Amino acid sequence: QQQVKQSPQSLIVQKGGISIINCAYENTAFDYFPWYQQFPGKGPALLIAIRPDVSEKKEGRFTISFNKSAKQFSLHIMDSQPGDSATYFCAASIRGGSYIPTFGRGTSLIVHP
Amino acid sequence: GAGVSQSPRYKVAKRGQDVALRCDPISGHVSLFWYQQALGQGPEFLTYFQNEAQLDKSGLPSDRFFAERPEGSVSTLKIQRTQQEDSAVYLCASSPGPSGGYNEQFFGPGTRLTVL
Repeated sequence: QQQVKQSPQSLIVQKGGISIINCAYENTAFDYFPWYQQFPGKGPALLIAIRPDVSEKKEGRFTISFNKSAKQFSLHIMDSQPGDSATYFCAASIRGGSYIPTFGRGTSLIVHP
Repeated sequence: GAGVSQSPRYKVAKRGQDVALRCDPISGHVSLFWYQQALGQGPEFLTYFQNEAQLDKSGLPSDRFFAERPEGSVSTLKIQRTQQEDSAVYLCASSPGPSGGYNEQFFGPGTRLTVL
């Protein structure tokens, strides 16, 4: 059973455009939602994360929007750049538990110059 | 500073062979995690260590998988009698504190295992 569903599987945008990746979860006990960025041949790296007590968090061109009632969260990449081309994973975990994140299946983002 | 390192980076094994994958976490990091990442999928949890204690091994897919961290630093993931379905990238991650908090996990580059 996939606890964190991520879409789309792949995404192509033009330079300067907005990239949007969506995730949905089932377990209401999740209370920490990180996004990871992975380049080919590298391990995932934490990009940005949010806790459910806020509805939005912004860091530079990256914004997480969180909808607790809908159990959904999304990553928005503004002014997308070719260097943003990578695979993005959403994840969810329980702070009071073992904090082991459950990952989505990933979105392969390609930003054309 | 040095990040998490893993070796070998690539491993090809014949079905039935045993393999050992090594992880060198960031110095001083308490927690160490192993994940399995199949092609086109997200990482899936295998096991977790806090110092030398293996606190969670619920993700290990079978008794052919074994992990250890005897001195609380370097960890080894061993797979016995490898099968084709074991082909994947094996990721190691470490974090500075004990699990249970918002501790960022730092991932290594992974070991790509191919079982023929």
